[in-house]
Amino acid sequence: DAGITQSPRYKITETGRQVTLMCHQTWSHSYMFWYRQDLGHGLRLIYYSAAADITDKGEVPDGYVVSRSKTENFPLTLESATRSQTSVYFCASRDRVGDSPYEQYFGPGTRLTVT
Amino acid sequence: AQSVAQPEDQVNVAEGNPLTVKCTYSVSGNPYLFWYVQYPNRGLQFLLKYITGDNLVKGSYGFEAEFNKSQTSFHLKKPSALVSDSALYFCAVRADTGTASKLTFGTGTRLQVTL
Repeated sequence: DAGITQSPRYKITETGRQVTLMCHQTWSHSYMFWYRQDLGHGLRLIYYSAAADITDKGEVPDGYVVSRSKTENFPLTLESATRSQTSVYFCASRDRVGDSPYEQYFGPGTRLTVT
Repeated sequence: AQSVAQPEDQVNVAEGNPLTVKCTYSVSGNPYLFWYVQYPNRGLQFLLKYITGDNLVKGSYGFEAEFNKSQTSFHLKKPSALVSDSALYFCAVRADTGTASKLTFGTGTRLQVTL
């Protein structure tokens, strides 16, 4: 099906473990984003990518790594998970036509718990 | 730096009554403004956006928003609320130039519509 998907939807991991959250979109959108959603903070941007092999930091990038070897995939890796990274993670994408203000489309989210 | 304020954590409305969810913003340059809605255990869904032109923007599900440049506000409104409108609402802003790819979200307002 067309759209933006995330996997896994739920993940429990232990402190210190590496975990990768996957994001896949079928629209060939240029831009992709990772956000975390925490109570009292709304959504905060972790990393974003303007195209394959182009990534940049957002508001809260520490402890996270991203890559984008293909346009459709944008995995987010927590190199050594900490309890403060317990959150709901959302991937989003949007099309690019210059600086046109196209809206972002969001995936269903991954609920990550770090014990 | 750009920012969004949603001053109300929760708004309670009776079904059939008009609703308003407030949003104020700060951005350098002209703003692009967005409203998203989030239902439980779902990703964010786009409702409407303001780019330029008419200050009253109409969106999905009967929602509309009024852009007020002098008050730097972009309040979400609906003439007659439905119980099914109960959800979490996010306002977001980005500048029309510069950090073109980054949306800044508010902390969200929970709308509760009761019979």
